Amino acid sequence: EAQVTQNPRYLITVTGKKLTVTCSQNMNHEYMSWYRQDPGLGLRQIYYSMNVEVTDKGDVPEGYKVSRKEKRNFPLILESPSPNQTSLYFCASSSGGLGNTIYFGEGSWLTVV
Amino acid sequence: QKEVEQNSGPLSVPEGAIASLNCTYSDRGSQSFFWYRQYSGKSPELIMSIYSNGDKEDGRFTAQLNKASQYVSLLIRDSQPSDSATYLCAVITGGYQKVTFGIGTKLQVIP
Repeated sequence: EAQVTQNPRYLITVTGKKLTVTCSQNMNHEYMSWYRQDPGLGLRQIYYSMNVEVTDKGDVPEGYKVSRKEKRNFPLILESPSPNQTSLYFCASSSGGLGNTIYFGEGSWLTVV
Repeated sequence: QKEVEQNSGPLSVPEGAIASLNCTYSDRGSQSFFWYRQYSGKSPELIMSIYSNGDKEDGRFTAQLNKASQYVSLLIRDSQPSDSATYLCAVITGGYQKVTFGIGTKLQVIP
């Protein structure tokens, strides 16, 4: 079954405590990305990756890091989380091309207190 | 001006009616257009994709694209209460490098 798996699904953490949200896809997709979704602001792209070792900033990259060492994995790293990073996060992957489908993970609810 | 604009709604329609959802975009270089449905707290799921001017139909759903007017719409015929969700318009510009979502329109289908 085609899947994008992200963990943890729910997390409450404290300001400044580094955390990583993992993302893995089993579709051999080249493209992966991270989004955050906030009320009234919609889905905003944080970072994206076009292939192994190739990443670039999206619309809201501040406070986040990513890495793409393997094709299937694309972790999101919050080095020093702050309360304004409290959000619903989605990992996504696609094969590329004009009409391709973007597959989303189930989402990770992150609360920073 | 936002790159992809949608009315946040809510848009309320009676069961069995046609729901019309609209989206405008600012970048004339945009190439691919998508409609996603998102239930509260869940991940978006693809309903339709379109990249040529005109209409594209899939069951009860019809996507319409007008690149000259920079406008894409989604029609849902015979609306059902299960169609109640937020509908996200997504636009791809420059290959995969730029994927921009609208804020979504909340649709409520009243039984």
